[in-house]
Amino acid sequence: GDSVTQMEGPVTLSEEAFLTINCTYTATGYPSLFWYVQYPGEGLQLLLKATKADDKGSNKGFEATYRKETTSFHLEKGSVQVSDSAVYFCALSVANNNDMRFGAGTRLTVKP
Amino acid sequence: ETGVTQTPRHLVMGMTNKKSLKCEQHLGHNAMYWYKQSAKKPLELMFVYNFKEQTENNSVPSRFSPECPNSSHLFLHLHTLQPEDSALYLCASSQEVTSLGTDTQYFGPGTRLTVL
Repeated sequence: GDSVTQMEGPVTLSEEAFLTINCTYTATGYPSLFWYVQYPGEGLQLLLKATKADDKGSNKGFEATYRKETTSFHLEKGSVQVSDSAVYFCALSVANNNDMRFGAGTRLTVKP
Repeated sequence: ETGVTQTPRHLVMGMTNKKSLKCEQHLGHNAMYWYKQSAKKPLELMFVYNFKEQTENNSVPSRFSPECPNSSHLFLHLHTLQPEDSALYLCASSQEVTSLGTDTQYFGPGTRLTVL
């Protein structure tokens, strides 16, 4: 079935370090791909999305490119901040499905 | 008020209690969802409503009973829960569910439920 696999955490980085969180997917159709972020004590917030191959989603310095050939949607940021500490979820949505499939989440901690 | 709101934010209940969670969206969406988020588990979809009609029940025990009186409001009625039901319950909404799949979902802050 359709699913998302993302790298296990936790990930701990120093401020201004480069971030990559890997995400790969399996889907029978052509999914839309999403990254959500969950800050402590809050619900999930959409961070960025891409709806077709080679699209790049970007927001708040984060980027992810929809790679059909590698079935991947890796999240990157060039210089992380302490305020980026949160749990990041990769997700997909496929035609004829009522739901989104979420990865297990990756906890990021950024230290000053 | 904008976005998706949920009340209460925190709830502690005994196993014999009856309580309800409320979700309201101010985005003009037509689809609403309940998710359960437990520690160290992926997000679990519980129910989907599209134009007030339930379109998904993901094998959820009958002690959880959803209600969607209109496209803006969604309730989750709780009765005789178990301690393992303790979790963060998230509500979400999207424009609608079509044959193309679900659009971007917007989440509320969640209700932290503890069952004693």
